[in-house]
Amino acid sequence: RKEVEQDPGPFNVPEGATVAFNCTYSNSASQSFFWYRQDCRKEPKLLMSVYSSGNEDGRFTAQLNRASQYISLLIRDSKLSDSATYLCVVSSISSGSARQLTFGSGTQLTVLP
Amino acid sequence: DTEVTQTPKHLVMGMTNKKSLKCEQHMGHRAMYWYKQKAKKPPELMFVYSYEKLSINESVPSRFSPECPNSSLLNLHLHALQPEDSALYLCASSQDRGSNEKLFFGSGTQLSVL
Repeated sequence: RKEVEQDPGPFNVPEGATVAFNCTYSNSASQSFFWYRQDCRKEPKLLMSVYSSGNEDGRFTAQLNRASQYISLLIRDSKLSDSATYLCVVSSISSGSARQLTFGSGTQLTVLP
Repeated sequence: DTEVTQTPKHLVMGMTNKKSLKCEQHMGHRAMYWYKQKAKKPPELMFVYSYEKLSINESVPSRFSPECPNSSLLNLHLHALQPEDSALYLCASSQDRGSNEKLFFGSGTQLSVL
């Protein structure tokens, strides 16, 4: 089982639609969670951190369910510019006390006009 | 605009060449990383420097040699690479490796090995 799993998609949705991505992680001791966005041939950029109580940033809402070990990202009112690959990233304690980030394989989103 | 600067943006090299990738950040971050990313795959961690000391080497072949001359600079020296090493090489930094591990990536070096 992969440490961090995402549905690869692709998700093709019309402008204005609401779309949700899920991500599951295997390490129950994982401590921090993030969503990154990566445009084609560009570097990943931090979209938002994911907090236990859930958090919202404009049209984006992130949720964390520790009991079920999954993270979600909801995008409302999709824009063409939201087209990208969304990477789920989980931070866990590795050997010693160092934290290590593990990337999911990404979910590809295309918003259609 | 990214605050992590990588050079060159593109690099084509032969299997006998020696080249170096450079990365610079001026955010005062104390952790710096090298990642390798193949098309349609997530970034794979190669090396981590924490406070200018190598703290993680993810079993990377010795033809990749990292160097951290100071807290702002990170290099990746390449020698005798193979065609399968062709990929996007991403540098990243974070405030530290403790609670502030949000990564800031450079725009990457697209490497082609012929």
